[in-house]
Amino acid sequence: AQSVTQLDSQVPVFEEAPVELRCNYSSSVSVYLFWYVQYPNQGLQLLLKYLSGSTLVESINGFEAEFNKSQTSFHLRKPSVHISDTAEYFCAVSEVQGAQKLVFGQGTRLTINP
Amino acid sequence: DAGVIQSPRHEVTEMGQEVTLRCKPISGHDYLFWYRQTMMRGLELLIYFNNNVPIDDSGMPEDRFSAKMPNASFSTLKIQPSEPRDSAVYFCASSSGPLANEQYFGPGTRLTVT
Repeated sequence: AQSVTQLDSQVPVFEEAPVELRCNYSSSVSVYLFWYVQYPNQGLQLLLKYLSGSTLVESINGFEAEFNKSQTSFHLRKPSVHISDTAEYFCAVSEVQGAQKLVFGQGTRLTINP
Repeated sequence: DAGVIQSPRHEVTEMGQEVTLRCKPISGHDYLFWYRQTMMRGLELLIYFNNNVPIDDSGMPEDRFSAKMPNASFSTLKIQPSEPRDSAVYFCASSSGPLANEQYFGPGTRLTVT
């Protein structure tokens, strides 16, 4: 079975500052990794994913995440945040073989202050 | 495409009443997922279907919960009888193909049981 730990439940930062949201996972098999974002009163949207290949993946709105197999981590970063990035961010994993199930972390609430 | 459609968006009911939540997945998607989100437990997978067949219902909390998918364009999640601890946001998501393709989430149904 897989598990996901998001180390920070809340992260407050100032606008235009860099941010890192931490995610560690545990699994006995190979996994795919995802970051989803949930804006207030909305469903989750896929932000980026790692399936294979380059360990650094990027989203269209400036976020990036790096898969680190030895550290079993998939931290999310952005060099300069905007007010519109205020949301809850969820890290998730699924098995490479077979299952379609996503296992989510508890979420990190990112608050951007002006 | 209209995305995943859920109804109702909000439901307030009294303890002991039957509640039915509805979901229409994205056309052509052959996987459908039901999730529950609470402050205490985060985002939990309740059940998922592939080609209208339930594949894994291990997340369904108890016999009061049941889910059906009578055809490719409609699914229901029923709680009977409802209890205050069932209060949560229930999300439906759908995806296409195998191996961790993106799951598209609906806007959710906020259920309050008094």
